[in-house]
Amino acid sequence: QTVLTQPPSVSGAPGQRVTISCTGSSSNLGAGYDVHWYQQLPGTAPKLLIYGNNNRPSGVPDRFSGSKSGTSASLAITGLQAEDEADYYCQSYDYMRDGSRVFGTGTKVTVL
Amino acid sequence: QVQLVQSGAEVKKPGASVKVSCKASGYSFSTYDINWVRQAPGQGLEWMGWMNPKSGNTGYAQKFKGRITSTRDTSITTAYMELNNLSFEDTAVYYCARGRGFTSSLDYWGRGTMVTVSS
Repeated sequence: QTVLTQPPSVSGAPGQRVTISCTGSSSNLGAGYDVHWYQQLPGTAPKLLIYGNNNRPSGVPDRFSGSKSGTSASLAITGLQAEDEADYYCQSYDYMRDGSRVFGTGTKVTVL
Repeated sequence: QVQLVQSGAEVKKPGASVKVSCKASGYSFSTYDINWVRQAPGQGLEWMGWMNPKSGNTGYAQKFKGRITSTRDTSITTAYMELNNLSFEDTAVYYCARGRGFTSSLDYWGRGTMVTVSS
């Protein structure tokens, strides 16, 4: 059962801006729980990209930004670069799921 | 620097068990939970459970309850995840990741352990 829904893929040319949506429900994002975003480059472990809705860990370029409103969240990548080609996952907490962390379905970003 | 170093790849037969280790270094082991996340080939991330290294308390996703056990050895700052009664659908990369509190992010991840279930 999908808890956080993301588009399967988005694409853009170098330098463009792309956004990835993450749609949840009243038991996760809508309940006020934070959303976090991870980047997974091919063949590697996920890496924390955005935490607490809109905060970047040290070392993450400011081209990446996050936002959250109600039951939805978004990740924006501005000035798209070839090295941004990866899978991106949102993640939150859902109180209806035995207090579980839940991940989004994942979005493949392709740089044209 | 913070590191989570996982054990090597495993090949198991259906019905067997697997135990994956995750050695933490570069921070105080007892102050962060260890979470387990898996990823089947070509699929997304799936949260499995958490363990508090200080208390030993655990919590598991409903899907894995009864089949998963998370433990730790604080003397060697290592966490373990054991999954029993393996089936072909358990073939996946298993990651450990550090978190603090149920709603926090997972800020450091291990490189993953490939578990293949094959007859």
